[in-house]
Amino acid sequence: EAGVVQSPRYKIIEKKQPVAFWCNPISGHNTLYWYLQNLGQGPELLIRYENEEAVDDSQLPKDRFSAERLKGVDSTLKIQPAELGDSAVYLCASSRGTGPSYEQYFGPGTRLTVT
Amino acid sequence: GQNIDQPTEMTATEGAIVQINCTYQTSGFNGLFWYQQHAGEAPTFLSYNVLDGLEEKGRFSSFLSRSKGYSYLLLKELQMKDSASYLCAVVDSNYQLIWGAGTKLIIKP
Repeated sequence: EAGVVQSPRYKIIEKKQPVAFWCNPISGHNTLYWYLQNLGQGPELLIRYENEEAVDDSQLPKDRFSAERLKGVDSTLKIQPAELGDSAVYLCASSRGTGPSYEQYFGPGTRLTVT
Repeated sequence: GQNIDQPTEMTATEGAIVQINCTYQTSGFNGLFWYQQHAGEAPTFLSYNVLDGLEEKGRFSSFLSRSKGYSYLLLKELQMKDSASYLCAVVDSNYQLIWGAGTKLIIKP
């Protein structure tokens, strides 16, 4: 079974520029998560989707971040405009469901550097 | 507030045993995960505990005490490839995963 796919793997942009990240979850996984992770920290949830519905976006900075999951499969996370503090690794994860025992499968992440 | 505590860093010797502790205070409890994360890579699932006691899976075991808000991950017969960060995460009452900052484990020959 193919894993979670993310692109790009690395991105360097100047502040105030827009940036987008793409994620393709494991086939059949209805739940999709976007996290950001800073060095030496655990992942921080940005948004969680159940199929195409965003069911938890309370931690998403909506003034500059947006996300979509059209047709309940692939998802895109966008930042516009990017700030220096947005430099981090952006992880996408998926799971079969949202029950407490469902493990999450993570993609390799996108390392964003904002200069 | 919700809080997960783990040691920042631990060092152990190849072939030895190491125990990584995790204490938590969360709004509700619906299970606890341990994930392994090698530097520059994604976290990968190790274990899930929801009932008290010890669960063994090969060289890795995970223990949970819900009354104490405490878990540990036990790694036996350490290998160099076990050098990684180990993340503890608790499922709260909203089924949201609350992550600890992780414990960086350094294995020395």
